[in-house]
Amino acid sequence: DAKTTQPPSMDCAEGRAANLPCNHSTISGNEYVYWYRQIHSQGPQYIIHGLKNNETNEMASLIITEDRKSSTLILPHATLRDTAVYYCIVGGTSYGKLTFGQGTILTVHP
Amino acid sequence: SAVISQKPSRDICQRGTSLTIQCQVDSQVTMMFWYRQQPGQSLTLIATANQGSEATYESGFVIDKFPISRPNLTFSTLTVSNMSPEDSSIYLCSVKSQGGRNEKLFFGSGTQLSVL
Repeated sequence: DAKTTQPPSMDCAEGRAANLPCNHSTISGNEYVYWYRQIHSQGPQYIIHGLKNNETNEMASLIITEDRKSSTLILPHATLRDTAVYYCIVGGTSYGKLTFGQGTILTVHP
Repeated sequence: SAVISQKPSRDICQRGTSLTIQCQVDSQVTMMFWYRQQPGQSLTLIATANQGSEATYESGFVIDKFPISRPNLTFSTLTVSNMSPEDSSIYLCSVKSQGGRNEKLFFGSGTQLSVL
């Protein structure tokens, strides 16, 4: 699985958009970009994933660059409950398992 | 989405003892995984639980320390054997749902283990 690089921490004001970047320059053609988040001591929660097109669901939007070497997770209107560790992971579908990096600690403040 | 129940949610154990963690899924799934999350760290994959055969362990994890059972497509157990304080971690069960472009992993709420 390709390695990802994320900033260790970010802050965001409540109600504003949170834009979390991720670099994955060694991603291969069949690997997806996944985003998960983990709120303190709970199991990771799936947010969104994509291959090469931008994706949007009820939780977030995922913007993947044309060369697929980086992506951005967008939480359009961050709330205090969005404070969590956000993991960007790239992986193929062959084995199903995903390799987690250190993630970004997002703190949403009032 | 798959609903995953993990038991126990937390436990405090004595050094040298063993603990078995159960993972129950509300639907049949082909692939189940066990992860460990040490304090302040990210998740590390322990093994893939294979139905009807021996689990596939990642580097650094062995069957004698973390025996795994998978008797059917909805249930698995992970045992942490001969525990030491270094085994204090959150242990997480996850399952792969569907395949192709809709493939994703779902996680249980985890078992927080403290070893004294």
